[in-house]
Amino acid sequence: NAGVTQTPKFRILKIGQSMTLQCTQDMNHNYMYWYRQDPGMGLKLIYYSVGAGITDKGEVPNGYNVSRSTTEDFPLRLELAAPSQTSVYFCASRGQGTTNEKLFFGSGTQLSVL
Amino acid sequence: AQSVTQLGSHVSVSEGALVLLRCNYSSSVPPYLFWYVQYPNQGLQLLLKYTTGATLVKGINGFEAEFKKSETSFHLTKPSAHMSDAAEYFCAVSPSGGYQKVTFGTGTKLQVIP
Repeated sequence: NAGVTQTPKFRILKIGQSMTLQCTQDMNHNYMYWYRQDPGMGLKLIYYSVGAGITDKGEVPNGYNVSRSTTEDFPLRLELAAPSQTSVYFCASRGQGTTNEKLFFGSGTQLSVL
Repeated sequence: AQSVTQLGSHVSVSEGALVLLRCNYSSSVPPYLFWYVQYPNQGLQLLLKYTTGATLVKGINGFEAEFKKSETSFHLTKPSAHMSDAAEYFCAVSPSGGYQKVTFGTGTKLQVIP
């Protein structure tokens, strides 16, 4: 069982470049999330989705976009990369219902913008 | 609105000593509370959770936490630290029944000294 899969694991971008961080889950979870993790700052929610076709902003959405065309996939798009977007990005998912509060995390994407 | 405060970004304990990681939360509705653990270069894994019922919850690897509503706390403890416990620990809160957003604390890095 693969769980939550993120690609790539590492990436270096130049300022102004764009890229898409891929995230896919095979647990048929409705809820999916993108977090960024910066040293000493914990995890900040960028965007989340409660189902295919439905997305909403989190705490730090500026500079990012998402889409959710299928239940499985939740890609995160950086259009004009900036040094402030250097971070580790985590995708997560959770099931629906009161017994499914646990978040399942991918292994992360380490992004550097130079 | 909800928030989490973790006291101490770094905690050092000797192997075999008590582990105590502090977490205080604020929430306008009854909360669900979580502790997650992150090992180097990995995503987060759920350690334990409180939703309803018994306020003392037990998790994996001998960890436990007690929900104290009057103190708005959810401290994580383990009677005897093991070298393998060295990791970063995150406390998190979400509204009960609110699947959309989980708010994380800034994390506490636990060092275990042999």
